[in-house]
Amino acid sequence: DGGITQSPKYLFRKEGQNVTLSCEQNLNHDAMYWYRQDPGQGLRLIYYSQIVNDFQKGDIAEGYSVSREKKESFPLTVTSAQKNPTAFYLCASIPLGGVGNQPQHFGDGTRLSIL
Amino acid sequence: KQEVTQIPAALSVPEGENLVLNCSFTDSAIYNLQWFRQDPGKGLTSLLLIQSSQREQTSGRLNASLDKSSGRSTLYIAASQPGDSATYLCAVTFDRGSTLGRLYFGRGTQLTVWP
Repeated sequence: DGGITQSPKYLFRKEGQNVTLSCEQNLNHDAMYWYRQDPGQGLRLIYYSQIVNDFQKGDIAEGYSVSREKKESFPLTVTSAQKNPTAFYLCASIPLGGVGNQPQHFGDGTRLSIL
Repeated sequence: KQEVTQIPAALSVPEGENLVLNCSFTDSAIYNLQWFRQDPGKGLTSLLLIQSSQREQTSGRLNASLDKSSGRSTLYIAASQPGDSATYLCAVTFDRGSTLGRLYFGRGTQLTVWP
């Protein structure tokens, strides 16, 4: 079955440490997105990528970095500059030709906490 | 500013009731509107997608309507069941000046259906 796989499910970060969240999709989708979800605040866009080797900042990119070296993969690094990283992180994808008529697919998320 | 608002924030009903969840958005120029379901600690599952040219979509006991001119959508759940308990999220893809495919989310309605 095609889908989006996020790993790990739970992640703990120490002070001053960078951590990387994995997002892999086998849907052959062009566009991929990272959202952050905090209790009571809904989902906010961190970064997005429409094609390989290209990505753009979303609304809350500070303290995060991404790469898009392969179409299937869009890892998110939470750097030590992100002072409040505790949240639920969701990865999503969609084919660019389907923006108007196809739903976005989401992974099962990674919950990041500070140790 | 492009925003999505959902009311109520929480709803608790007895099994068997018909219920309505509300979503409003600030800009009528949209590609589509989507309703998602989120179970605790899980990712998002797409329930219904209404394209900008459509007025409603139905899937089983769910019916979603769209009124672009007033900036509103409703999700109607018929004959609610305890298994419907979850958070329901409304998300809009705007057509004007926004990232292609990027979703703007409401904060969700947390639904509890008790036996």
